[in-house]
This record gives sequence, C-alpha cells and structure tokens, in this order.
Amino acid sequence: NAGVTQTPKFRVLKTGQSMTLLCAQDMNHEYMYWYRQDPGMGLRLIHYSVGEGTTAKGEVPDGYNVSRLKKQNFLLGLESAAPSQTSVYFCASSWTLLETEAFFGQGTRLTVV
Amino acid sequence: SQKIEQNSEALNIQEGKTATLTCNYTNYSPAYLQWYRQDPGRGPVFLLLIRENEKEKRKERLKVTFDTTLKQSLFHITASQPADSATYLCAASGGSYIPTFGRGTSLIVHP
Repeated sequence: NAGVTQTPKFRVLKTGQSMTLLCAQDMNHEYMYWYRQDPGMGLRLIHYSVGEGTTAKGEVPDGYNVSRLKKQNFLLGLESAAPSQTSVYFCASSWTLLETEAFFGQGTRLTVV
Repeated sequence: SQKIEQNSEALNIQEGKTATLTCNYTNYSPAYLQWYRQDPGRGPVFLLLIRENEKEKRKERLKVTFDTTLKQSLFHITASQPADSATYLCAASGGSYIPTFGRGTSLIVHP
C-alpha cells in the first residue's frame, strides 16, 4: 500500500540539463497534480491531469512539460533546467479535482546550479 | 486572480490551549475548503474537508468552520500538544477552479 511515490527524492542539475520526475500512484485515482513549493510561496500548481492521456496547465507551467500515458503515472519534465526551477516538487493524486482529499508524495528536492 | 491567504507569522501557543488558524480567500467562491498538515521534509497530509453548505466540521480535537459571508475558514486544534507543531495549509477548490493552496501557517506548541 504505497500511496504516491516520487522518484527521485533528490537531484542536482546543471543549468540547461534536462530531467524527468516520475510520480506513481496505486490508488486508481483519476486526478494527478504536480506542485512546486518554495519558501514563503506555498504550494503552486504546475500542471495537472484529469485522467489518462489528459493534461492541463496550472498556475506556473512555463518551463515544464507533463505526460500521463498510464493512469497510475504522471511525469514532469524539465527540458532545459534553470536556477529558478530550484524547488521542492510534490506530486499528488485524488478521486476528484480536490473535492476529496489529495494524497501527496514525499517530495523531490531539485537543485539547479 | 484567485487568492488564498494564511497568516505568514508563526503561531506560538502553550500546551493545552486551543490553536486557531485562519484562511481567507478573495476573488472567487470555492465550494470546498481543505486543511492539510505538513511536517518538515514531508508531503502535506490531509486533515479535514468542509463544503460551502456546511458551517462546521469536527474530527477528534480538530474543528473547521466555513463562513461564506466573511470568505474565511477557521481551523481549531483543542487541547494542543507539542506533537501538533507543524505547518498547516489551507486549500480551496470546486467546480472549474484550479486547486489553490495557501502559503501555510506554522504552529508551535510549547510544553
């Protein structure tokens, strides 16, 4: 009963490098989300998905891409990392669009140097 | 734009007292408000959800209110304990609204 699992937990990237963050959930949830959390800024929604094969932009989507090829997985990509993308990234999933509780992963701490 | 505001200053209280945290929203009318707890280095954990047609919701020592006139939710922890020390996040959503979180308020309960 893993819930929401994020991979990796920590990563250091050089400016301009690319990477993919993986989020996997085993609760058969339709909705999945990617947030970033910065000091003093709270959680900000990057992208979300309302079902397999769908994605939508959140509050701060620039510089990120996402894919939901399988219902249980939601991938967040950084094509050309920038220092401004240094943050803690959280994935979450829920039955509905936050009309029910959301389950969060443990977070990925990304540093771009 | 939609805004969720929580007190940025930490709330310090003595063990045994009631902690009250505030969440205000502006420029929209969410149908649901949720409260989460976040410990350092961990992801948020869901605590309570309240719907706009509910005035109050309780769960053990926790109580949440939703005042659509004041555009505000209050989160209470009664008989607080040092183990309740954490950051508490408010989130709003509903209908076509993108889920929005507040910045969170840090609660410190002193023994």
